[in-house]
Amino acid sequence: KAGVTQTPRYLIKTRGQQVTLSCSPISGHRSVSWYQQTPGQGLQFLFEYFSETQRNKGNFPGRFSGRQFSNSRSEMNVSTLELGDSALYLCASSSRTSGGAADTQYFGPGTRLTVL
Amino acid sequence: AQSVTQLGSHVSVSEGALVLLRCNYSSSVPPYLFWYVQYPNQGLQLLLKYTSAATLVKGINGFEAEFKKSETSFHLTKPSAHMRDAAEYFCAVKGNTDKLIFGTGTRLQVFP
Repeated sequence: KAGVTQTPRYLIKTRGQQVTLSCSPISGHRSVSWYQQTPGQGLQFLFEYFSETQRNKGNFPGRFSGRQFSNSRSEMNVSTLELGDSALYLCASSSRTSGGAADTQYFGPGTRLTVL
Repeated sequence: AQSVTQLGSHVSVSEGALVLLRCNYSSSVPPYLFWYVQYPNQGLQLLLKYTSAATLVKGINGFEAEFKKSETSFHLTKPSAHMRDAAEYFCAVKGNTDKLIFGTGTRLQVFP
């Protein structure tokens, strides 16, 4: 089975722009979660989608949004980029077969976003 | 609320020595605990997870972890370090929601 794929792998944007990141989960997985990784804040949960519905949301401003399509692929959008948004954005998928909490999340390689 | 604390942001060992990476958790509900490894410029790879089936959990690459409720710990060990084990290791907890709460990570260096 192919793993979680994320595109693009690297992205450079300037302040004020917006960006869209894409994530394709493992085939058959219906849950997709997004995390931000920075040297200062570590790994932080952004949000989780399951069957096209946002199930959980982390503590990020409204500039961060996401969606999930009927084929379980997910996109994350960040509007009005700030320097502090520079980070590695990781997507993870899980099958959600055991009610959620015990499920393993499988991570993609991430998208490295640099905001200038 | 759940949280994890990883003691030691950097750990250095010689090749062949014991690896011990420490993780303590806080959870108001029975926790699910995970160890992930991250190699440079890559995503996170699951090493092992605890889901209450057994307190001693064996994972990939020779790693294992023991869940100790009395100590609220889930330390990661490997009897003999290899150069390829050099990476960053993250402990994570899930409670009754689906989001992973990560520790700050421990960077493992292995010297020949």
